[in-house]
Amino acid sequence: DGGITQSPKYLFRKEGQNVTLSCEQNLNHDAMYWYRQDPGQGLRLIYYSQIVNDFQKGDIAEGYSVSREKKESFPLTVTSAQKNPTAFYLCAAAERWDTEAFFGQGTRLTVV
Amino acid sequence: KQEVTQIPAALSVPEGENLVLNCSFTDSAIYNLQWFRQDPGKGLTSLLLIQSSQREQTSGRLNASLDKSSGRSTLYIAASQPGDSATYLCAVGTQAGTALIFGKGTTLSVSS
Repeated sequence: DGGITQSPKYLFRKEGQNVTLSCEQNLNHDAMYWYRQDPGQGLRLIYYSQIVNDFQKGDIAEGYSVSREKKESFPLTVTSAQKNPTAFYLCAAAERWDTEAFFGQGTRLTVV
Repeated sequence: KQEVTQIPAALSVPEGENLVLNCSFTDSAIYNLQWFRQDPGKGLTSLLLIQSSQREQTSGRLNASLDKSSGRSTLYIAASQPGDSATYLCAVGTQAGTALIFGKGTTLSVSS
């Protein structure tokens, strides 16, 4: 079954802890993206990667880190430096930056 | 900086109505525009992608148009059904090699 898999679906984190969100795709797409969605705010770009071993900061990268060591994987780490990490996180992939983007089902992170 | 606006924020219609959702963007120099659907608590589902050289795209009961010069796109939904109830988001690709910029969405409710 082709697509983008985000795991886990729900994640709880204690304040001061780092946590990593998984995003895997079997579409063989070069470009991958991480967005954050908050109520009433729309989607905001955290990081994106157009090719393996390269990634760029988005509009709200502070407190987050990523890696792109494999084409199919683009994990996002939410660090303790992120002031307000509770949100819905969405991962996307596209064949190239100017082609149709496809999204995963999201991970809801709650800081307790 | 590119800004994407969707009006109205919410819309309620009876089943069977034809309806139009609006999306406007401030910088007409876009590469493409994509419409998505999001059900509560879920990821985004791609509906239509319009390249900058195109005027419209159709898929089933959906028709999306693009007018770059005026900075507008519309999503036309024919013969609406309760199953169409969801949030509809538009996003534009503005800079080469970067990521989509999203509007905040229009939440549609279709009553039977």
